[in-house]
Amino acid sequence: QQPVQSPQAVILREGEDAVINCSSSKALYSVHWYRQKHGEAPVFLMILLKGGEQKGHEKISASFNEKKQQSSLYLTASQLSYSGTYFCGTAAGGYQKVTFGIGTKLQVIP
Amino acid sequence: DTGVSQDPRHKITKRGQNVTFRCDPISEHNRLYWYRQTLGQGPEFLTYFQNEAQLEKSRLLSDRFSAERPKGSFSTLEIQRTEQGDSAMYLCASSGSGQSSYNEQFFGPGTRLTVL
Repeated sequence: QQPVQSPQAVILREGEDAVINCSSSKALYSVHWYRQKHGEAPVFLMILLKGGEQKGHEKISASFNEKKQQSSLYLTASQLSYSGTYFCGTAAGGYQKVTFGIGTKLQVIP
Repeated sequence: DTGVSQDPRHKITKRGQNVTFRCDPISEHNRLYWYRQTLGQGPEFLTYFQNEAQLEKSRLLSDRFSAERPKGSFSTLEIQRTEQGDSAMYLCASSGSGQSSYNEQFFGPGTRLTVL
């Protein structure tokens, strides 16, 4: 089943913070976060594993609540380059398929 | 540039024609995924290979779709008798091997298919 993302869209001014949430109705092994700009491929941001491991860009932070099957992506001191659509993807097993949500559109304005 | 390449980048075809897309993954990656993405949606899983073995195929995938990964290197996705509903961006992604628990996937630039 597709994870649910919220909010669906958000507009920020440069320097503001934002949180994007992702929830699933199924038990999860991993949560994946990607950013996609218009006309481009999704770019990997972060992966969070059951058990607390995570790997990703230094300037990106995220959390994963295994019991609630929820994850949040934290964007701080936003820059214009942060604009794009953010997708969370979830997987039930280590090398299983990733199921993506419909995305959160983020626009950062000057 | 993630190191995953796809060819062609754009394909326009007439309904009923067959099309084939190619994906070259990052060389050391042994897992390869195909996704389809339409406007306003996230990538939708189609199929997945580990080396040359096709391990999973979406139940939503029509029999008109077939994918191969001979010798565990590049992969091809063929769509037979294309329909207008097949119009979408077809994305390929690859992920690493070894003992790592991580399965971060790196996407190629995609092939945009338009069926007239």
